[in-house]
Amino acid sequence: DTAVSQTPKYLVTQMGNDKSIKCEQNLGHDTMYWYKQDSKKFLKIMFSYNNKELIINETVPNRFSPKSPDKAHLNLHINSLELGDSAVYFCASSQTGTAPTDTGELFFGEGSRLTVL
Amino acid sequence: GESVGLHLPTLSVQEGDNSIINCAYSNSASDYFIWYKQESGKGPQFIIDIRSNMDKRQGQRVTVLLNKTVKHLSLQIAATQPGDSAVYFCAASNDYKLSFGAGTTVTVRA
Repeated sequence: DTAVSQTPKYLVTQMGNDKSIKCEQNLGHDTMYWYKQDSKKFLKIMFSYNNKELIINETVPNRFSPKSPDKAHLNLHINSLELGDSAVYFCASSQTGTAPTDTGELFFGEGSRLTVL
Repeated sequence: GESVGLHLPTLSVQEGDNSIINCAYSNSASDYFIWYKQESGKGPQFIIDIRSNMDKRQGQRVTVLLNKTVKHLSLQIAATQPGDSAVYFCAASNDYKLSFGAGTTVTVRA
């Protein structure tokens, strides 16, 4: 059973289109994340949801809109795609620790490679 | 915020030798650190973690060292094997956020 699964694995689309990536975790975790990995392998956090509430929203264009229908799902919708959005997007989940700022270990999905032409 | 950086973008190691990957972080309030391994086409996978109240932690063939004075941590891999070839990331946790360094690509030579 895959712990964190995201679909689709590959996505090729034209500039200006709208697309979504879905993520589901079956670990019972309370926090989910979206990370973007660029061509230089740099991993940057985009969003974090804790119990369906947005707790981290980095400086991401508002063309990116996350949606968490429940604790086990965090989807990412992207409007008006641009060339610079091409990247691998990783979903992750964790169970927050007892320390106030402790993220706990993050479990990652396999990634969704988005190519914008 | 937190800025995390690795010292070398690439590391080439002879099979059987020990590997050391270094990482620096900027925020002294960071209290939890993790090393991840990412193989080609896959998501990052947990290797080992360490909390700020420790300075050393050992796992199977891996050791993480934390020096809070100079805000530095390292990952040591003993007897490096071909399966250890991957990109390695250090990450620091602060304020509900896990911030990643740029990654070190480790290549194991036969």
